[in-house]
Amino acid sequence: GNSVTQMEGPVTLSEEAFLTINCTYTATGYPSLFWYVQYPGEGLQLLLKATKADDKGSNKGFEATYRKETTSFHLEKGSVQVSDSAVYFCALRSAGFQKLVFGTGTRLLVSP
Amino acid sequence: DSGVTQTPKHLITATGQRVTLRCSPRSGDLSVYWYQQSLDQGLQFLIQYYNGEERAKGNILERFSAQQFPDLHSELNLSSLELGDSALYFCASSVDPGTGYGYTFGSGTRLTVV
Repeated sequence: GNSVTQMEGPVTLSEEAFLTINCTYTATGYPSLFWYVQYPGEGLQLLLKATKADDKGSNKGFEATYRKETTSFHLEKGSVQVSDSAVYFCALRSAGFQKLVFGTGTRLLVSP
Repeated sequence: DSGVTQTPKHLITATGQRVTLRCSPRSGDLSVYWYQQSLDQGLQFLIQYYNGEERAKGNILERFSAQQFPDLHSELNLSSLELGDSALYFCASSVDPGTGYGYTFGSGTRLTVV
């Protein structure tokens, strides 16, 4: 079945550091890939997505590239801010009515 | 505002009781999904409805049930509540079918069972 594996957290960084959160997936066919972010006390918000191989999703300085050859969708940001502290979820969705399959989430803590 | 409305935001109830959580999907979305988020088990998919019909079931307990009404709002009913049912319950909606569409999440209902 479909699954998503994320690196375990927490990831602790200083402000302006470079961020990478690894995500790999297992799926049949050609899924779409997503990153969601959950700020403390809130619901999940869609951060970015990519729907086919080699697509790059980007939003708010975050980027992720759909790599079919390595079945990966790593999240990156060049310079993190304290306000980026949150839990980040990688997810995939296959064709038709298939539900989103989420990873376990990675907590990011950014200190000033 | 995501467009997905969940009520109530907070609920405190005693063990053995029954509660109903309500969700109104984003305008135009026909699918509703329910998730449970607890500290020890992460984000667990419970159930999906599409245009009034149950579409998929996940790790939903027999004590829990859901339905989607003709106006597309959905309710999640939790009965014989136990302490372990304390969690955040999220509703999400989506355009279906389609792979390229993610979910839009509501802000959740925090259930505390005492």
